[in-house]
Amino acid sequence: QLQLQESVPGPVKPSETLSLTCTVSGGSISTSSYYWGWIRQPPGKGLEWIGRIYYSGSTYYNPSLKSRVTLSVDPSKNQFSLKLSSVTAADTAVYYCATLERYYFSLDYWGQGTLVTVSS
Amino acid sequence: QSVLTQPASVSGSPGQSITISCTGTSSDVGDVGTFNYVSWYQQLPGKAPKLMIFDVSNRPSGVSDRFSGSKSGNTASLTISGLQAGDEAEYYCSSYITGDTLGVFGGGTKLTVL
Repeated sequence: QLQLQESVPGPVKPSETLSLTCTVSGGSISTSSYYWGWIRQPPGKGLEWIGRIYYSGSTYYNPSLKSRVTLSVDPSKNQFSLKLSSVTAADTAVYYCATLERYYFSLDYWGQGTLVTVSS
Repeated sequence: QSVLTQPASVSGSPGQSITISCTGTSSDVGDVGTFNYVSWYQQLPGKAPKLMIFDVSNRPSGVSDRFSGSKSGNTASLTISGLQAGDEAEYYCSSYITGDTLGVFGGGTKLTVL
């Protein structure tokens, strides 16, 4: 049973870069079964894909965020990370890491989520 | 505006059955020729979403058989039978989109158990 845990971010001000890490336990991040993804949910709103990364490092980003997003993976630490640059208040959301099953495109396992508030 | 359209809310009484629809275009939910990659998620208040249905109609281990999924043309559906108070939650559909390897979410449906 995989478990995912997002890091708790520090305060983020407008125009700065948001950084989050997801730590995977109960299995290896170097599995061929999953992509590793980031999804966010603004307060009171729906779910939005940010992007996903494979253990090899290949990535796919939401086109609407692509210019500001960088995903990376560290198999030695069983972690993957998100950086979102030039944040604004519109980036305030609960950020989830999750596994994206490679054949069925289902999000099988989720972290508990971490609230990121962008404020000056 | 979501690519997949869900009703904003549905309601039902304990013991009843309800159905939540998820309507897309031919390039995602209705792409019958290649994909049936519709999944459904339950999000209890203040919690992370939980996978309830994958591949249109398959339940992950541990999910109650009161939850079932189906698809007809461009509309996928989630049916919950024998409604319980604990089913009160937001429900999201998701589907693969042709040419996009992330997929898209519906806008979510709030289920109220009366």
